[in-house]
Amino acid sequence: GNSVTQMEGPVTLSEEAFLTINCTYTATGYPSLFWYVQYPGEGLQLLLKATKADDKGSNKGFEATYRKETTSFHLEKGSVQVSDSAVYFCALEVGGGGNKLTFGTGTQLKVEL
Amino acid sequence: ETGVTQSPTHLIKTRGQQVTLRCSSQSGHNTVSWYQQALGQGPQFIFQYYREEENGRGNFPPRFSGLQFPNYSSELNVNALELDDSALYLCASSETRNTEAFFGQGTRLTVV
Repeated sequence: GNSVTQMEGPVTLSEEAFLTINCTYTATGYPSLFWYVQYPGEGLQLLLKATKADDKGSNKGFEATYRKETTSFHLEKGSVQVSDSAVYFCALEVGGGGNKLTFGTGTQLKVEL
Repeated sequence: ETGVTQSPTHLIKTRGQQVTLRCSSQSGHNTVSWYQQALGQGPQFIFQYYREEENGRGNFPPRFSGLQFPNYSSELNVNALELDDSALYLCASSETRNTEAFFGQGTRLTVV
């Protein structure tokens, strides 16, 4: 079956620190990969996506590269801000456009001044 | 353009009861997907409706059922509620079957 494994949180960083949230996956077939963000009290928002190997998704300073050889899609940001504090979910979908998703358990990020 | 709206935002039910959750899809969207997010977990896909027909189902028992109306709004019904059904239920709408999902804020269901 399909599954996503994320690093456990919470991850606590100082403002302007470098962020990496690890994500690895198992899929039957060729998946598209996604990162979603959930701010407190809000719904999930698509942060970025990649649909084929070696693609890099990017948005709002966040990046993730689809690595088929390591079945990974790690999220990175060079300099985090307090406003980035949220829960981040890695997800995949096989054979679709992103609306029948398999999610990881989420990683909470706390950014402090 | 209004986004995805869900109602109610919170509710409390007793074990064994039935519940109906509602979702209004974003304007122009004909596909609705439902997810269950238990506390501290990622969302799990329940099912999807496309143009009023079920278009895929996750690993949930038949007491989870749904409906999509001609205006593409949707309902999630859960019968014979169990304590483990306590969760945040998320609705997501898409322009069509194979496009990006836009999520609502969810309905927090507590079963006591």
